[in-house]
Amino acid sequence: KAGVTQTPRYLIKTRGQQVTLSCSPISGHRSVSWYQQTPGQGLQFLFEYFSETQRNKGNFPGRFSGRQFSNSRSEMNVSTLELGDSALYLCASSLDSWGFNEQFFGPGTRLTVL
Amino acid sequence: GENVEQHPSTLSVQEGDSAVIKCTYSDSASNYFPWYKQELGKRPQLIIDIRSNVGEKKDQRIAVTLNKTAKHFSLHITETQPEDSAVYFCAASRVGGGADGLTFGKGTHLIIQP
Repeated sequence: KAGVTQTPRYLIKTRGQQVTLSCSPISGHRSVSWYQQTPGQGLQFLFEYFSETQRNKGNFPGRFSGRQFSNSRSEMNVSTLELGDSALYLCASSLDSWGFNEQFFGPGTRLTVL
Repeated sequence: GENVEQHPSTLSVQEGDSAVIKCTYSDSASNYFPWYKQELGKRPQLIIDIRSNVGEKKDQRIAVTLNKTAKHFSLHITETQPEDSAVYFCAASRVGGGADGLTFGKGTHLIIQP
């Protein structure tokens, strides 16, 4: 069974631009969560999607948005990029919501904002 | 929202000795507590989790204990081996998620000295 995949693996953008990251969950998994990982703040929850609906949302500004498609693939969009958005963005999939099933993480997308 | 404190930030132990990492949480409604291991340049992987209806859980050399009254939980690794060297994250959440999703501690860098 293929693991969680994320594309692209690396991105370099400049301030003010927007970016879209993609996550393909493990086959059969319906829940996809997104996290931002930085050395200073650690791992922070962005949002979770389940069956194309945003079910949970962390404390991030509206510039961070996402969506999920009918095949459970998910995209995350960041608009008007700031230097502080430089981070590793991880997605994780599970059969259902955490607590019921293990979350499996993807390799991450390393975003650098110049 | 939930707040998770994790200590120590760095832990160095001799190979074969035990390692203990401690976390405290603030939201008494949290009832799911996973631990993740992240090796350098790799994705986080779940190593053990515990729900609030259980006080202790073991899996070979790894154990987690939970004290709901004091709102703290700990990871115990016995007979440490070089491959245990990694960053370990604790997290807390309500089963089924919630407004805060999974809230992570800042991580503990575990170093196993040969």
